[in-house]
Amino acid sequence: AQSVTQLDSHVSVSEGTPVLLRCNYSSSYSPSLFWYVQHPNKGLQLLLKYTSAATLVKGINGFEAEFKKSETSFHLTKPSAHMSDAAEYFCVVSVRGGATNKLIFGTGTLLAVQP
Amino acid sequence: EPEVTQTPSHQVTQMGQEVILRCVPISNHLYFYWYRQILGQKVEFLVSFYNNEISEKSEIFDDQFSVERPDGSNFTLKIRSTKLEDSAMYFCASSEAVRTSGTDTQYFGPGTRLTVL
Repeated sequence: AQSVTQLDSHVSVSEGTPVLLRCNYSSSYSPSLFWYVQHPNKGLQLLLKYTSAATLVKGINGFEAEFKKSETSFHLTKPSAHMSDAAEYFCVVSVRGGATNKLIFGTGTLLAVQP
Repeated sequence: EPEVTQTPSHQVTQMGQEVILRCVPISNHLYFYWYRQILGQKVEFLVSFYNNEISEKSEIFDDQFSVERPDGSNFTLKIRSTKLEDSAMYFCASSEAVRTSGTDTQYFGPGTRLTVL
């Protein structure tokens, strides 16, 4: 079965320092992976998606993620954190079912950015 | 930029009552989904819908739940007799297409917070 595991439930960084949010996946075939972000009292916004065209994926707001098959990882990074990055981040895998694909979410990582 | 909308933003109901959560997907999208997030837990898939029928549903989506596309724009989730454990944030999502690679993007609405008393 396809699944994702987010290794940290909480991450705290200082503004201007790098961000690393870790995600490992389990899949019997080449997975489709996504990162979504949820700001307080807001919906889920797509940050980026892995399409197998390139292992390094660039997303919105300066985020990127690297697909590493040998490590079954899809970690999310950003070189320099901004206060507005404080939110909950979800690593997600897409699973085909019938005529549609359903998303399987990780447990989320809450990112705090300290001034 | 087109977006998925959901109403109401917050619904409070008494246990045993019926509720209908409404969603307006992005207009050219053909695939529709409901997910829910119980407070402190992860987002869970409930149901997917295409071509006026359910494509897939989870174990959570029992006979108390139903979905409908009553017209060309709305997509609804009905809970017939609410239980305390139905309290959650319910998200609607839609996608334009479904690719066998799974790389189609699902766009989410802001959610409806359902509180069952």
